Amino acid sequence: ETGVTQTPRHLVMGMTNKKSLKCEQHLGHNAMYWYKQSAKKPLELMFVYNFKEQTENNSVPSRFSPECPNSSHLFLHLHTLQPEDSALYLCASSQGGQMGFFGQGTRLTVV
Amino acid sequence: GEDVEQSLFLSVREGDSSVINCTYTDSSSTYLYWYKQEPGAGLQLLTYIFSNMDMKQDQRLTVLLNKKDKHLSLRIADTQTGDSAIYFCAESTTDSWGKLQFGAGTQVVVTP
Repeated sequence: ETGVTQTPRHLVMGMTNKKSLKCEQHLGHNAMYWYKQSAKKPLELMFVYNFKEQTENNSVPSRFSPECPNSSHLFLHLHTLQPEDSALYLCASSQGGQMGFFGQGTRLTVV
Repeated sequence: GEDVEQSLFLSVREGDSSVINCTYTDSSSTYLYWYKQEPGAGLQLLTYIFSNMDMKQDQRLTVLLNKKDKHLSLRIADTQTGDSAIYFCAESTTDSWGKLQFGAGTQVVVTP
């Protein structure tokens, strides 16, 4: 248990559905991140939030919409996804310059 | 952009030492990390090293950093079957706190 919790662990959705991924951390960290892990590709940073403010959007399509209501919670809202968006979505948190803590991930399958 | 490269596969016998290698290109890298990912799981931070260090040891794990050659290695002593996983090398810089550049991962298979 790393202190970063993601729900759900698995999600299957149709291309016309709307769903949300949730991440929470109770480590007192001030930064939270979404990463995407696709088969046979390095992990890709998607979004960065520092003190609830988005500081990085790594050219992510608008069908992915992040939300950070407070420094402990991070959401990723999904709508009209494509099959190629199927991947493991990982949330992480950090304090200062030291990165360390990832959640278990949400395995997303778009059908 | 900056690259982090790793060999894709390593097979090792139980009880032997494993050495996983990583090279990176960003000379301003400040932190270098090793993560472990077991099947169906997220990433577990194993260890990290500051760029002003040459070596760090933590129980069975030894990290060596050659900053001149931009080469990082992870040695696992007395490798066990539970060490079978994918190992990721990652780096971050002072300009990108927490934003990690990952390698593609090394699949380590431990055989009895």
